[in-house]
Amino acid sequence: QKEVEQNSGPLSVPEGAIASLNCTYSDRGSQSFFWYRQYSGKSPELIMSIYSNGDKEDGRFTAQLNKASQYVSLLIRDSQPSDSATYLCAVGRRAGAGGTSYGKLTFGQGTILTVHP
Amino acid sequence: NAGVTQTPKFQVLKTGQSMTLQCAQDMNHNSMYWYRQDPGMGLRLIYYSASEGTTDKGEVPNGYNVSRLNKREFSLRLESAAPSQTSVYFCASRQGANSNVGYTFGSGTRLTVV
Repeated sequence: QKEVEQNSGPLSVPEGAIASLNCTYSDRGSQSFFWYRQYSGKSPELIMSIYSNGDKEDGRFTAQLNKASQYVSLLIRDSQPSDSATYLCAVGRRAGAGGTSYGKLTFGQGTILTVHP
Repeated sequence: NAGVTQTPKFQVLKTGQSMTLQCAQDMNHNSMYWYRQDPGMGLRLIYYSASEGTTDKGEVPNGYNVSRLNKREFSLRLESAAPSQTSVYFCASRQGANSNVGYTFGSGTRLTVV
């Protein structure tokens, strides 16, 4: 089982719809969770972070975390063609927790999202 | 602009050649990381440095070495390049190992080994 798993997609949604991106993780010691957006040929850009169970909203983005189910998701409301990109889920342990993790992040493979007009 | 700077942006090597990828950050971050990104494989950690003076292996360290030259700079060296090392390499930094802030990434180095 991979440490962090995402559906690679591609996920295609119409403009204006809600895009739902999912991520599961295997390490129960994980404490920090991030979503990155990566446009083709560019570097990953941090768009959301979440640490506590529940929802966190920032503009059109909502991150949801359920530690009991080891599941984190990203919702994009009113999707725009400019949201078309690969979305990477990243998970981290607190440094020193259960070993010398030193704040490393483990990334999923990424989900390709296409928003069509 | 503040951030993470990687050089070079593109490089073509012949099998067996060596090279060093440079990374520098001006955000006074303590922790720095080298990842490689391959299609279908996501980002995989090569080496990291939790703080100046320390380095440690990540998930895929074979064929690489690193040097944390000072707090700002963290270089990645390929001693004898192999075609399997063809990839996009990203350097990243973070305020501290326990920071709840994600990484800041550099713009990447696209390396082709022929």
